[in-house]
Amino acid sequence: DQQVKQNSPSLSVQEGRISILNCDYTNSMFDYFLWYKKYPAEGPTFLISISSIKDKNEDGRFTVFLNKSAKHLSLHIVPSQPGDSAVYFCAATPNSGYALNFGKGTSLLVTP
Amino acid sequence: EPEVTQTPSHQVTQMGQEVILRCVPISNHLYFYWYRQILGQKVEFLVSFYNNEISEKSEIFDDQFSVERPDGSNFTLKIRSTKLEDSAMYFCASSPRGRRYEQYFGPGTRLTVT
Repeated sequence: DQQVKQNSPSLSVQEGRISILNCDYTNSMFDYFLWYKKYPAEGPTFLISISSIKDKNEDGRFTVFLNKSAKHLSLHIVPSQPGDSAVYFCAATPNSGYALNFGKGTSLLVTP
Repeated sequence: EPEVTQTPSHQVTQMGQEVILRCVPISNHLYFYWYRQILGQKVEFLVSFYNNEISEKSEIFDDQFSVERPDGSNFTLKIRSTKLEDSAMYFCASSPRGRRYEQYFGPGTRLTVT
């Protein structure tokens, strides 16, 4: 069962522009949402998180937006840099649990 | 910056053999996890460990799997009798007090079962 969905397998953006990565979820019990970045042959690197009581969280070039009514979140990267090229995973977890539920990932390519 | 480390980076084993994957979580973290990623698939939760016991496990984590924290720094995953379908990247993760959801991952161990 896919509780976290990333429907775009890939995204290509020019350097300096905004990258928007999207994620949908089905489980209304999720309380925390996270974005991870992954390079080949490395583990996922934590980027940013958001609690379900907020609708926005910002950290430098990264902003996550949460729309609970639509069960949708997005990660904005502004401005995009070539070093941002990686696979981005959305993950979610309920406050009562421990497991992160991951999406399948979106491969971002930032071109010079 | 502290990080999660894992050894070995790559393990090749024959079907039916036992393997132990090792992890050193971030030192002041309290929660420990194992995940796996089969090639081409999503990252899947296996088990979480807190206060010296399993706090949650998935249906993947059957009797062939076990975890242990033998001392104050190491965290291990044992697969008793490996199957071909156990071939995957295995990631260890840890998270701090008060932010259990914020999990920090190691670089992974690639397990190949032949």
